[in-house]
Amino acid sequence: EAQVTQNPRYLITVTGKKLTVTCSQNMNHEYMSWYRQDPGLGLRQIYYSMNVEVTDKGDVPEGYKVSRKEKRNFPLILESPSPNQTSLYFCASSPGQERGYTFGSGTRLTVV
Amino acid sequence: SQQGEEDPQALSIQEGENATMNCSYKTSINNLQWYRQNSGRGLVHLILIRSNEREKHSGRLRVTLDTSKKSSSLLITASRAADTASYFCATGGSSASKIIFGSGTRLSIRP
Repeated sequence: EAQVTQNPRYLITVTGKKLTVTCSQNMNHEYMSWYRQDPGLGLRQIYYSMNVEVTDKGDVPEGYKVSRKEKRNFPLILESPSPNQTSLYFCASSPGQERGYTFGSGTRLTVV
Repeated sequence: SQQGEEDPQALSIQEGENATMNCSYKTSINNLQWYRQNSGRGLVHLILIRSNEREKHSGRLRVTLDTSKKSSSLLITASRAADTASYFCATGGSSASKIIFGSGTRLSIRP
């Protein structure tokens, strides 16, 4: 089944403890992206990648890192999480121009 | 930065009625996409309309695009309980990597 898989689905962590949210797609898509969704603020793009080793900042990149060493994987790294990074995170992928994105099921992160 | 603004923010209709949601955006676009999100879950891509298209259909969905007014509408005909969800428009520019989502319309279908 064609899909975007995120792990974990739920995560509670403490301030400052490094964490990684994994994202993998099995559709050979070139484009991948991370979003966070917050009440009243909608979906905001954190980082995106146009291909292996090609990444760029979205609208809210502060406090996050990404890497794209393989086409299928696009992990999101929080080096030192803070409570304002408590949010619902989505990974998404697309085959390219003028094609829709396929979203993962989301990761609900709570930083205490 | 939010490009699209959906209107209304919330909509409640009777099952079987038609639902219309609107999206306005600010800058020029290559395409506009509509997504559905069931509570707390991932978004599902519904339909994409290119900037040189005026109308597009997919099953019970009809999307229109007016680039002169920088607006789009999504019509769901003969609504069903399963259509209860939030609907988002997203605008695409020259790069597929940069799509910007609106704030969404919450649609509730009453039985």
